[in-house]
Amino acid sequence: EAQVTQNPRYLITVTGKKLTVTCSQNMNHEYMSWYRQDPGLGLRQIYYSMNVEVTDKGDVPEGYKVSRKEKRNFPLILESPSPNQTSLYFCASSLSLWTSGGSTDTQYFGPGTRLTVL
Amino acid sequence: DQQVKQNSPSLSVQEGRISILNCDYTNSMFDYFLWYKKYPAEGPTFLISISSIKDKNEDGRFTVFLNKSAKHLSLHIVPSQPGDSAVYFCASSNTGKLIFGQGTTLQVKP
Repeated sequence: EAQVTQNPRYLITVTGKKLTVTCSQNMNHEYMSWYRQDPGLGLRQIYYSMNVEVTDKGDVPEGYKVSRKEKRNFPLILESPSPNQTSLYFCASSLSLWTSGGSTDTQYFGPGTRLTVL
Repeated sequence: DQQVKQNSPSLSVQEGRISILNCDYTNSMFDYFLWYKKYPAEGPTFLISISSIKDKNEDGRFTVFLNKSAKHLSLHIVPSQPGDSAVYFCASSNTGKLIFGQGTTLQVKP
């Protein structure tokens, strides 16, 4: 089954304790992205990756790191989590950024990771 | 500054009636618009999209309308069904990067 998986689905942690949220897709997609969803703000992009070893900042990258060593995996790293990073996080992937027809390619989202930082 | 706005946080309609969800954007460079639907405890799923060269796109019960002069798009669901109850996000793009609105929670009552 084609899917984007995230682990863990729920996490409660304390300020300053490093954590990693994993994201994996089995669709051979080149483009992957991380979003956070907060009430009243919708989905905001944290980081994205156009392909292996190519990553770039989104709109809210502060406090986050990512890596793309393999095509299928795109982990999100919080080196020193703070309470303002309490949020619902989504990983997404698409075949590419653009379709051959020039339109934005459809992104497929993972089920989400609910993170609470105390 | 919110470039994509969904000003109605929630909408309630009766089953069988029309649901109209609205979205406004500020960046005239956006050239592609999408709607995503999200159920609780799941990730958003793609619903329907429209290119800026069109003003309407239809897919079954779902129709998206684009008014470029007003920088406004809307999603019409006819007829609405209880299974349509979800959060709906509109998103806009001009470089492939998606900018999402805040979301509108639709409740369809039986």
